[in-house]
Amino acid sequence: AQSVTQPDIHITVSEGASLELRCNYSYGATPYLFWYVQSPGQGLQLLLKYFSGDTLVQGIKGFEAEFKRSQSSFNLRKPSVHWSDAAEYFCAVENQAGTALIFGKGTTLSVSS
Amino acid sequence: GAVVSQHPSWVICKSGTSVKIECRSLDFQATTMFWYRQFPKQSLMLMATSNEGSKATYEQGVEKDKFLINHASLTLSTLTVTSAHPEDSSFYICSARDPNADEQFFGPGTRLTVL
Repeated sequence: AQSVTQPDIHITVSEGASLELRCNYSYGATPYLFWYVQSPGQGLQLLLKYFSGDTLVQGIKGFEAEFKRSQSSFNLRKPSVHWSDAAEYFCAVENQAGTALIFGKGTTLSVSS
Repeated sequence: GAVVSQHPSWVICKSGTSVKIECRSLDFQATTMFWYRQFPKQSLMLMATSNEGSKATYEQGVEKDKFLINHASLTLSTLTVTSAHPEDSSFYICSARDPNADEQFFGPGTRLTVL
């Protein structure tokens, strides 16, 4: 069965520092992978997605993620974090039926000044 | 991106009553909508997949008689929590798939508290 693991429950990063959020997946075939951000009072917003092709994916708000099949990983990165990036981040994989998303437990990002 | 709304954003009800939550796609027609449940500091768990004009498909362990889902139009799906109990208190999130964008868009969620 497909699953997504986000090993880090909570991460604190200084403003202006770089960020990497980890995501590992379990999936038999080529996965469709997503990163979402959830802010209080707002719906989940798609940051980026990977379906195929270039394994380095660029997203919105300066985020990028790299798909590494050998490591079953899809880590999210940002070179310089802003205070407004503080939020909950979810990695997800599309299920085999291609109908719904399976989410990791999320990583809470705090940004210190 | 496309907009999905949910109403109400929060609701408090007494144990034993029923609560209806609406999910609307505001600027696109969604043939498929999804309902998720999120516990504090937990992941989103898919409850059911709702297709317009047909019965919802429920995930294993989700009581279909307790969580009634209706997808009567291409822009509206409703989730009714029947005979709610305190353990049903949670954050319920819907999403709608835009077939043109081939992407799911999420609503802001509904916080349900059952006293």
